[in-house]
Amino acid sequence: DQQVKQNSPSLSVQEGRISILNCDYTNSMFDYFLWYKKYPAEGPTFLISISSIKDKNEDGRFTVFLNKSAKHLSLHIVPSQPGDSAVYFCAASANGNKLVFGAGTILRVKS
Amino acid sequence: SAVISQKPSRDICQRGTSLTIQCQVDSQVTMMFWYRQQPGQSLTLIATANQGSEATYESGFVIDKFPISRPNLTFSTLTVSNLSPEDSSIYLCSVMEGVGNTIYFGEGSWLTVV
Repeated sequence: DQQVKQNSPSLSVQEGRISILNCDYTNSMFDYFLWYKKYPAEGPTFLISISSIKDKNEDGRFTVFLNKSAKHLSLHIVPSQPGDSAVYFCAASANGNKLVFGAGTILRVKS
Repeated sequence: SAVISQKPSRDICQRGTSLTIQCQVDSQVTMMFWYRQQPGQSLTLIATANQGSEATYESGFVIDKFPISRPNLTFSTLTVSNLSPEDSSIYLCSVMEGVGNTIYFGEGSWLTVV
């Protein structure tokens, strides 16, 4: 049972435009959501998180939106830069328990 | 966040042998985890490394295949035993810290079994 789903395996965006990465979840007990970025040959790097008591969290060029009724969250990157090209993983946890990861979305930012 | 160092960063091993991966953290952490990322797949939790007691394994992972040590609050090892090509993967050490229990990862150890 895949509790966290990233349905887009890849996304291609022009430099300077907005990148929107989507994530859906099925477990209504999830109360904490995170996004990680992973470059080849490196470990995942924490990007941004959001608690279920919020619907938006912003950190520089990165904003995460949470729609609890739709069980959907998204990561917005604006403006997108070539260095943002990486695999992005969505993750969720319930009550501080283990993280459940999505399959990842490959983002390519074209210059 | 804590600095997490893993050794080896990469190795090629013969099938039937074992590989032990070390994870060193620059500060004391309560929660340490071992993840695996097989080629083209997402990150999967293998086990939680408990200090001073046996690790807690996730479904599908057993101690005989993935013995874990956690002698103190800054160090852990994961051994992948009786290697087969299916064990070729990235193995990641991680720690939980901070408000909201964010997990931070080491650089990963890339294992290829031939």
